Amino acid sequence: AQKVTQAQTEISVVEKEDVTLDCVYETRDTTYYLFWYKQPPSGELVFLIRRNSFDEQNEISGRYSWNFQKSTSSFNFTITASQVVDSAVYFCALSEAEDSNYQLIWGAGTKLIIKP
Amino acid sequence: NAGVTQTPKFRILKIGQSMTLQCAQDMNHNYMYWYRQDPGMGLKLIYYSVGAGITDKGEVPNGYNVSRSTTEDFPLRLELAAPSQTSVYFCASSYRVSDGYTFGSGTRLTVV
Repeated sequence: AQKVTQAQTEISVVEKEDVTLDCVYETRDTTYYLFWYKQPPSGELVFLIRRNSFDEQNEISGRYSWNFQKSTSSFNFTITASQVVDSAVYFCALSEAEDSNYQLIWGAGTKLIIKP
Repeated sequence: NAGVTQTPKFRILKIGQSMTLQCAQDMNHNYMYWYRQDPGMGLKLIYYSVGAGITDKGEVPNGYNVSRSTTEDFPLRLELAAPSQTSVYFCASSYRVSDGYTFGSGTRLTVV
């Protein structure tokens, strides 16, 4: 059955440290999509990235980078030189091309606290 | 570009009352979704729609109803509100099911 696991419930680091948020997924499909969303303390949900299962290239966007490894079924998110504004809950999610019933499978989220 | 607009932002209901949470998007997205998020928890899908006139149940549909008469609007109806429905409700939309979602700002509902 499809599943997304974010084993880190909460991470706390000091500003300017690098931090990696783990995401492990389970799926039987060969075609699927992985996502990361950010929910800052203000409460809104912000889409960060989508990656399809055929594209294992790592993605970098400024201080954010994502490492997709099909061999370990992981889609980890790294923030380099963290800043206080990065404090948020981060959700990883999975969408399968088939048999998903249009439901996005969400991880439980990782709360990231960046201390000044 | 407004994106996804949810109203109201906050509401307090008494047990047994009913209300409709409004959601509108102006991006011509086919897919729309209603989620609830309980304190400190992740998102649970209530209902979704793949286009005007088509809706279906998600993970936690009991106590709710939806309609999708137009592409733009996807209201969520709460009948006979219960304390268990105290939550933050998010509406979202996407052009395709495999796309990232655009979320509304949420409605914080308290049932007392």
